[in-house]
Amino acid sequence: EVQLVESGGGLVQPGGSLRLSCAASGFTFSRYWMSWVRQAPGKGLEWVASIKQDGIMKYYVDSVKGRFTISRDTAKNSLYLQMNSLRADDTAVYYCATSDTGAFDYWGQGTLVTVSS
Amino acid sequence: DIVMTQTPLSSPVTLGQPASISCRSSQSLEHSDGNTYLSWLQQRPGQPPRLLIYKISNRFSGVPDRFSGSGAGTDFTLKISRVEAEDVGVYYCMQATQFPLSFGGGTKVEIK
Repeated sequence: EVQLVESGGGLVQPGGSLRLSCAASGFTFSRYWMSWVRQAPGKGLEWVASIKQDGIMKYYVDSVKGRFTISRDTAKNSLYLQMNSLRADDTAVYYCATSDTGAFDYWGQGTLVTVSS
Repeated sequence: DIVMTQTPLSSPVTLGQPASISCRSSQSLEHSDGNTYLSWLQQRPGQPPRLLIYKISNRFSGVPDRFSGSGAGTDFTLKISRVEAEDVGVYYCMQATQFPLSFGGGTKVEIK
C-alpha cells in the first residue's frame, strides 16, 4: 500500500524558515517523480514544485523560486521542501504527491504551515 | 503559462442523476510525446485530493466506473453517470503537459 506521510509544518513568523518532509513507503521511491502541492485555507490547489527521479531536474512555481528548494533522499525514501523567507501568503496545507501516470497518483494527508506574527 | 478554467463553479445534483463538469485550457494539452496530460481529482470534505482520471479518460485504480473522462486539445469533461452521496466534494482538473503545472479552480458537487 502506497503511503505518504508529511511532517514539519507549524507556525512560523514572516521571514522565517521551515523544512517539510514526506516519508514514502509501499512503492519504489526512486522510480517516480515527486511533487509538492499546497492549498491555502478555503482555496483551491496550487502546484509548488516537482523533482525528477534523478534528483537533479527540479521545477518551481514562480512565486517560490529562490525561496523554496525541493530535494529527495532515495536511501531514506524521503522528499523534502526547504522553505525560506516565508510570507503570509505561503500559509497553506502542503501535500506531497507521487507521479507515475503523468498525474498526481497518490497524496499524503498534508501538513499545515501557518506564517504569522 | 497554461490557465485551466472549470465550469460550473457549483453543481447541485439529485442523487442518482448524472453530473458533468467542463474544463478548458488556454492552450492545447497535447504533449510532444503524443499524450495529453489532463487529469481529474476529487477532494471530499476534510480529505486530501484523490486521483480519479488520468490522460483524459483513464480511470485510476479503484475508481468506480460511474466516473468517465473525455475530450481533446483544450476542452475536457468529467461525467458522473449516477451521483451517489459519497461523490460530494470539490473536483479539480489539472494539466501536467507543461511546467508550471496548473489546476482548475474547482467545481463543488453537492446534493440537492
